[in-house]
Amino acid sequence: GQQVMQIPQYQHVQEGEDFTTYCNSSTTLSNIQWYKQRPGGHPVFLIQLVKSGEVKKQKRLTFQFGEAKKNSSLHITATQTTDVGTYFCAGPGDGGFKTIFGAGTRLFVKA
Amino acid sequence: DTGVSQDPRHKITKRGQNVTFRCDPISEHNRLYWYRQTLGQGPEFLTYFQNEAQLEKSRLLSDRFSAERPKGSFSTLEIQRTEQGDSAMYLCASSPMGGTSGNTIYFGEGSWLTVV
Repeated sequence: GQQVMQIPQYQHVQEGEDFTTYCNSSTTLSNIQWYKQRPGGHPVFLIQLVKSGEVKKQKRLTFQFGEAKKNSSLHITATQTTDVGTYFCAGPGDGGFKTIFGAGTRLFVKA
Repeated sequence: DTGVSQDPRHKITKRGQNVTFRCDPISEHNRLYWYRQTLGQGPEFLTYFQNEAQLEKSRLLSDRFSAERPKGSFSTLEIQRTEQGDSAMYLCASSPMGGTSGNTIYFGEGSWLTVV
């Protein structure tokens, strides 16, 4: 079945270092979304990418959708302790009703 | 607060008991989803409603699970004869109908279930 995979599973960084998480889908996606879940919280929508090769920025966060629309990345520049949490990518499932989530990348930031 | 609301937030139950969770979506959202999340995993799709119609149900969902959305507004998720493996956070989410914004789902804070 359709799968969305993320690497790495965990990442420990020193505050101020950069961070990147990668997402790969087994199928071509019409769009990809990114969510952030703080420890003890619920997933919160960050952004959606739709176009092949699209790049979007939100302050220190840069999101990219691959040319083949099967992969995506999230890059955080100069991490801060407020960036701690798990970042999930997600895409439309078969049939278009459901959204399939990756297992997430958990980011730890040491002050 | 106009976000997705879930109740109860926490539930501890004995194995074999039935539990029911309630979700109130964002009022103008036609689409409603239930997901399950365990530690270290992403949200796992359970079922989807468009208005009052249940249009998709995960094959992973056993017949002990049932969900309803009787008037196209709030929804309930019932788990019968709970098992320890049902322990998880049950997330409700909603999204608007149509357009690219319809792909964005808004999660509630979740209902934590512990089966002892």
